[in-house]
Amino acid sequence: EVQLVQSGAEVKKSGESLRISCKGSEYTFTSYWISWVRQVPGKGLEWMGRIDPSDSYTKYSPSFQGHVTISTDKSISTAYLQWSSLKASDTAMYYCTRGRSSGNYFGMDVWGQGTTVTVSS
Amino acid sequence: DIQMTQSPSSVSASVGDRVTITCRASQGVSSWLAWYQQKPGKAPKLLIYAASSLQSGVPSRFSGSGSGTDFTLTISSLQPEDFATYYCQQANSFPYTFGQGTKLEIK
Repeated sequence: EVQLVQSGAEVKKSGESLRISCKGSEYTFTSYWISWVRQVPGKGLEWMGRIDPSDSYTKYSPSFQGHVTISTDKSISTAYLQWSSLKASDTAMYYCTRGRSSGNYFGMDVWGQGTTVTVSS
Repeated sequence: DIQMTQSPSSVSASVGDRVTITCRASQGVSSWLAWYQQKPGKAPKLLIYAASSLQSGVPSRFSGSGSGTDFTLTISSLQPEDFATYYCQQANSFPYTFGQGTKLEIK
């Protein structure tokens, strides 16, 4: 079964650093880009950015550019989302999801289970 | 950024009803649009891609249409498991953007 499995819930303090992970299995990891999506409790979905594991080409939403870093280690089929200095406003659920677009948009068809990040001030 | 506006923001309906949700883009996105369903405490699920293509495994009561700036998601005959929140999302240009969501509730 194709899966994206995310790392577990995190509780941090403002100013701390954090890296969460997303491991793909049962598919060719470099054939799909990985996006990260934020969902603040009770709110909608926000696209943060995406990375192409084949060449690490990355695009960020301006809303998140400079505050998070998306990376990948294709040797272990894993993508990462990291912060160098967390804020209380980063408290949210974070999803990784895979997608592809080849002459058309095929949507984000597989999602991780989500990682809850709680940041206290 | 392209703004995606869904209407209505919430809708109440009964099992068996036909429901249509609309998504409007602030500029044209061609057919680079997808629809997702999200249930409480769960990750979103892809329903429709390329504006009108049904994702594998999704019941045929779901359908999508539109191109450019105006799109619709239709559920032909609501089932109990369809009560959820629905989001449209464009991938025509960066940054990708989601609509604010439409909550479908039981009447």
